[in-house]
Amino acid sequence: DIQMTQSPSTLSASVGDRITITCRASQSIGTWLAWYQQKPGKAPKVLISKASSLESGAPSRFSGSGSGTEFTLTISSLQPDDFATYYCQQYNSYRGEFGQGTKVEIK
Amino acid sequence: QVQLVESGGGLVKPGGSLRLSCSASGFTLSDYYMSWIRQAPGKGLEWVSYMSHSGNTIYYTDSVKGRFSISRDNAKNTLNLQMDSLRAEDTAIYYCVRDRGATGVPAALTYWGQGALVTVSS
Repeated sequence: DIQMTQSPSTLSASVGDRITITCRASQSIGTWLAWYQQKPGKAPKVLISKASSLESGAPSRFSGSGSGTEFTLTISSLQPDDFATYYCQQYNSYRGEFGQGTKVEIK
Repeated sequence: QVQLVESGGGLVKPGGSLRLSCSASGFTLSDYYMSWIRQAPGKGLEWVSYMSHSGNTIYYTDSVKGRFSISRDNAKNTLNLQMDSLRAEDTAIYYCVRDRGATGVPAALTYWGQGALVTVSS
């Protein structure tokens, strides 16, 4: 199994801040990495696929980078709608593992 | 457009059974790998089971092996999850999710159902 480790677990930030979430894989996954946003009571929604490809409808303030074992999700200017929990997921292998999540809270 | 709608969740006593169904529209289930992913209250996302497009490959996470069974009704374009011998730790929202296509090319999980809440409690 591939272990996915996200950091931090919780991030307190203000509207307008630039924030970065990191995801590390226990072995190389190329660029088969996705980032999801989940709000309370809702299913996760994919924001980024293939490590850096912005999904249709996702705001351009979201960006992803990385390859191999280290990846980042950046929100360039945090908006009120962005306070949520974010998960990374490797999909290089079947039943691709998720990171444990990063909750972005209002500071 | 693609839509996944789960049904069958509810409150059940430990040791009881439930059957979740996922009705798919906008695509044919047998053209895709399909998965059940669950989320316990306040916790992260956990794969429960998946079925390949052909039905020949099925996966269960260790904690549900021998208790849960995934199946598909091609005529109704519906994915099912039969859950027996339920335990308190099975309490979660269960999501039906469309995975990669028959070609096997890796794909992010773009389509999720709204989720079905399963509560196991006496």
